Amino acid sequence: GAVVSQHPSWVICKSGTSVKIECRSLDFQATTMFWYRQFPKQSLMLMATSNEGSKATYEQGVEKDKFLINHASLTLSTLTVTSAHPEDSSFYICSVKVGDTEAFFGQGTRLTVV
Amino acid sequence: AQSVTQLGSHVSVSEGALVLLRCNYSSSVPPYLFWYVQYPNQGLQLLLKYTTGATLVKGINGFEAEFKKSETSFHLTKPSAHMSDAAEYFCAVRNTGNQFYFGTGTSLTVIP
Repeated sequence: GAVVSQHPSWVICKSGTSVKIECRSLDFQATTMFWYRQFPKQSLMLMATSNEGSKATYEQGVEKDKFLINHASLTLSTLTVTSAHPEDSSFYICSVKVGDTEAFFGQGTRLTVV
Repeated sequence: AQSVTQLGSHVSVSEGALVLLRCNYSSSVPPYLFWYVQYPNQGLQLLLKYTTGATLVKGINGFEAEFKKSETSFHLTKPSAHMSDAAEYFCAVRNTGNQFYFGTGTSLTVIP
């Protein structure tokens, strides 16, 4: 299966700053990637669909100006949390669409905003 | 629309006992169903999936699941629990756009 790598694995940032999370498909050209958020003890919630070369599609209730997604190449999608607040602290996970049925997930990024 | 319900947010079993994690789904189209496992502070690892064909699906680590359309269920089982099976398990349904919708998860504890 596809190997998906996220960087960083964990990050601590100050309230009001921005932080960028990278999702790389190491061995597969991914036209579509997905970003999920997971709060403690809860399930994964789809935030947005990232499409290479075009604008991301955001799920209802997700602020596109706060969670900036860029998918400039077939192997890299980035999620930037702008003006982070403590309530943005969460576990962020990306996945790569492979074929018609598969999705491979990154190892996740733990964001803590202090 | 797709949705997934996992009954029981916490399940405890003794080592060597049967593991049964329940999942029911709702889908407006023939579903693609998945079970993932998540260890602390890690991403998701695919255990098994159902797309088409045989309704009893075997996955990694001795897990299997059976798709029952009449019951809209996709329960996960393992005959004999190991300590290493302790983790969070997520059932998911995939839509035609390859977006996944996850259940709320079941935390499995294995008692020695």
